[in-house]
Amino acid sequence: AQKITQTQPGMFVQEKEAVTLDCTYDTSDPSYGLFWYKQPSSGEMIFLIYQGSYDQQNATEGRYSLNFQKARKSANLVISASQLGDSAMYFCAMSSLQYNFNKFYFGSGTKLNVKP
Amino acid sequence: DGGITQSPKYLFRKEGQNVTLSCEQNLNHDAMYWYRQDPGQGLRLIYYSQIVNDFQKGDIAEGYSVSREKKESFPLTVTSAQKNPTAFYLCGCRTVNTGELFFGEGSRLTVL
Repeated sequence: AQKITQTQPGMFVQEKEAVTLDCTYDTSDPSYGLFWYKQPSSGEMIFLIYQGSYDQQNATEGRYSLNFQKARKSANLVISASQLGDSAMYFCAMSSLQYNFNKFYFGSGTKLNVKP
Repeated sequence: DGGITQSPKYLFRKEGQNVTLSCEQNLNHDAMYWYRQDPGQGLRLIYYSQIVNDFQKGDIAEGYSVSREKKESFPLTVTSAQKNPTAFYLCGCRTVNTGELFFGEGSRLTVL
């Protein structure tokens, strides 16, 4: 069974500081992908970053980086230099070879509030 | 502009009525998806389709139906059999051999 766990329902961070959002996953499949999405209050899901299970290096996309610790089955999102516009819900997701990468499982999300 | 269009954005329905949510994409992606999101929760998969005229049930398919007659279209019908249909519905698509899902802006259904 595939499972994604996000244990932080809400987080606060001061503007311009870095913040880490936690994500752990559970799968027996050796080949999988991990994703982070941002959901502003408007509701749209915005793709942020992707990490493949065989990737040797942690993924980075601008101010976003993914701290991938395979042995611990964690894929934490790090946002550097937080901005007010980063306030949103953040979801971790996973797909795996078991379902030909067609089924995406999502965590329950973390609500990030950036304080001025 | 390429993207995914969901309509309507807001929909109200009386109990016992079926309602169809539209999802159209012009990204030429093969796979399309429907997810449901309840307040404070993550997304749960309702149905997905990898190719035209074929679709598979997700984890919460009961009370929903879909069709995939064209590559660019994947409408979702919420039937009267769905016990608690009030939710936010998101449609997504992706190319089969690459990673991320792209999403539309969502449709919010309220049953009165």
